[in-house]
Amino acid sequence: GDSVTQMEGPVTLSEEAFLTINCTYTATGYPSLFWYVQYPGEGLQLLLKATKADDKGSNKGFEATYRKETTSFHLEKGSVQVSDSAVYFCALRNFGNEKLTFGTGTRLTIIP
Amino acid sequence: NAGVTQTPKFQVLKTGQSMTLQCAQDMNHEYMSWYRQDPGMGLRLIHYSVGAGITDQGEVPNGYNVSRSTTEDFPLRLLSAAPSQTSVYFCASSYRGTSGSGEQFFGPGTRLTVL
Repeated sequence: GDSVTQMEGPVTLSEEAFLTINCTYTATGYPSLFWYVQYPGEGLQLLLKATKADDKGSNKGFEATYRKETTSFHLEKGSVQVSDSAVYFCALRNFGNEKLTFGTGTRLTIIP
Repeated sequence: NAGVTQTPKFQVLKTGQSMTLQCAQDMNHEYMSWYRQDPGMGLRLIHYSVGAGITDQGEVPNGYNVSRSTTEDFPLRLLSAAPSQTSVYFCASSYRGTSGSGEQFFGPGTRLTVL
């Protein structure tokens, strides 16, 4: 079945540091890939997505590239801010199927 | 648009009690689902629905019931609460298939504690 493996957390960085959160997946077919973010006390919201190989999703300075050859969708940001502190979830959705398969989430804390 | 709304935000139950978590969306989404979020486990799918009158089980359905009498509403029922059901519950909705962006929209969550 489908599965998503995410980098274990928690991750603590200083403001303006470079961020990478690793995500790899196993799926049959041709999935779409997503990063969701959960701020403290809130529900999940879509951060970015990519629907086919070599697509790059980007939003709010975050980027992730759909790499079919390595089955990866790593999240990156060049310079993190305190306001980026949140839990980040990698997820996939197979074509024609509405169900999302989530990774376990990575808690990110940015210190000033 | 209110998006996806959930009530209540917090609930404390005693073992054996029953309750219903409410979920509603005003985006005319066909697909609705319930997840539970537990530390170190990510989000796990409880039940889902692809349209009014149609429901199906997800990964962890035991102890929960759902119904979908309208497009807008998708309540989750706990039949006899157990401490193992202490969790944060999220409702989500989206368009079906290739319609829309593929994005699922999430409610703010219900934090449930079972004593």
